[in-house]
Amino acid sequence: AQRVTQPEKLLSVFKGAPVELKCNYSYSGSPELFWYVQYSRQRLQLLLRHISRESIKGFTADLNKGETSFHLKKPFAQEEDSAMYYCALSGQGGKLIFGQGTELSVKP
Amino acid sequence: DVKVTQSSRYLVKRTGEKVFLECVQDMDHENMFWYRQDPGLGLRLIYFSYDVKMKEKGDIPEGYSVSREKKERFSLILESASTNQTSMYLCASSSTGENEKLFFGSGTQLSVL
Repeated sequence: AQRVTQPEKLLSVFKGAPVELKCNYSYSGSPELFWYVQYSRQRLQLLLRHISRESIKGFTADLNKGETSFHLKKPFAQEEDSAMYYCALSGQGGKLIFGQGTELSVKP
Repeated sequence: DVKVTQSSRYLVKRTGEKVFLECVQDMDHENMFWYRQDPGLGLRLIYFSYDVKMKEKGDIPEGYSVSREKKERFSLILESASTNQTSMYLCASSSTGENEKLFFGSGTQLSVL
């Protein structure tokens, strides 16, 4: 079965603290994973994809096939990082399968 | 600037009504998708289309149908709206070369009373 699990509904941190949003997946093939973000009153948009190995807005995510995880990390959270974050898996047929989402709240 | 436009931001309908949600994209994308977004459940795929007049069921197609008569337009139809279809509906599109890079509309919050 293809599945994406984000175990935390809400993650609250203080400004300047490290952030890790957890994502675990279940997929029998070679996975392609993504993080999408939705800021308040804005559209859902692609943040980063594992295949690019990029850092966007200070966020990075490493694919760990042994632990079937793709956690999103940032060393120092900013207030503008407050948003809803979705982990997604490219499944069979190219469909994107999304996780339940984690709301990140960064307090001043 | 790329654009996916959903015709209504808010809709209120009564149980049993037929509801049309419209989505138009101006990027000449081949692929279009309809998701519903519910707190705690994330985004769930209802229907998608990889070409004009083509449609495929997603994970939760029951109670919905779609229409894609033109490349730029993808409509979601609720044949007989029910209260459990109250939700935020998101339309998205992508190009064939970059299937996973979805461009989303701003969403339609549908309330079925």
